[in-house]
Amino acid sequence: AQTVTQSQPEMSVQEAETVTLSCTYDTSESDYYLFWYKQPPSRQMILVIRQEAYKQQNATENRFSVNFQKAAKSFSLKISDSQLGDAAMYFCAPGGTSYGKLTFGQGTILTVHP
Amino acid sequence: NAGVMQNPRHLVRRRGQEARLRCSPMKGHSHVYWYRQLPEEGLKFMVYLQKENIIDESGMPKERFSAEFPKEGPSILRIQQVVRGDSAAYFCASSLGQPDQPQHFGDGTRLSIL
Repeated sequence: AQTVTQSQPEMSVQEAETVTLSCTYDTSESDYYLFWYKQPPSRQMILVIRQEAYKQQNATENRFSVNFQKAAKSFSLKISDSQLGDAAMYFCAPGGTSYGKLTFGQGTILTVHP
Repeated sequence: NAGVMQNPRHLVRRRGQEARLRCSPMKGHSHVYWYRQLPEEGLKFMVYLQKENIIDESGMPKERFSAEFPKEGPSILRIQQVVRGDSAAYFCASSLGQPDQPQHFGDGTRLSIL
């Protein structure tokens, strides 16, 4: 079983600045994968970045990077050079190794100010 | 467009009617997941299916809800005798089935119960 906690219901950032969204989780699995999805007002679910738990190196995808602390079960998302189009609800979602079932956190609403 | 297709985008039903939500997975994907998103909440796993098989339905309510993924045609999530509490956005996702492969989401069906 997996549980996810996103402790920041809302965050805001100035355009071009950096913001970090936090996520902690608990899992009984020894190996797993972690994902961040964003949901803009259009309500689509868009994959932002993924991390393999067995890899120590933090994943990076353009302006998006993660700080993965396996022992602490922490998986934060850093957005650099924030853009207006980054405004959305962000969900952290660990997935098990059996078939990829995802457990979503409550989400963090990110507002980007021009 | 080879993405995950869900229809209808919006569905309005009166209490007691049946709702049928359809999902065509991404081309080449044979694994389908259904999630439900209540207002202001994250997505909650409902059911995972492969062609002609229900693999995990641990998130499905015990009554009134059923899902199928036939050999031919889309996956169907069926809600019988709908009640007000069924009002939500229902998302379908598909994948190749391996846990390291991300799930690709459809745009969701917003179900409103009058």
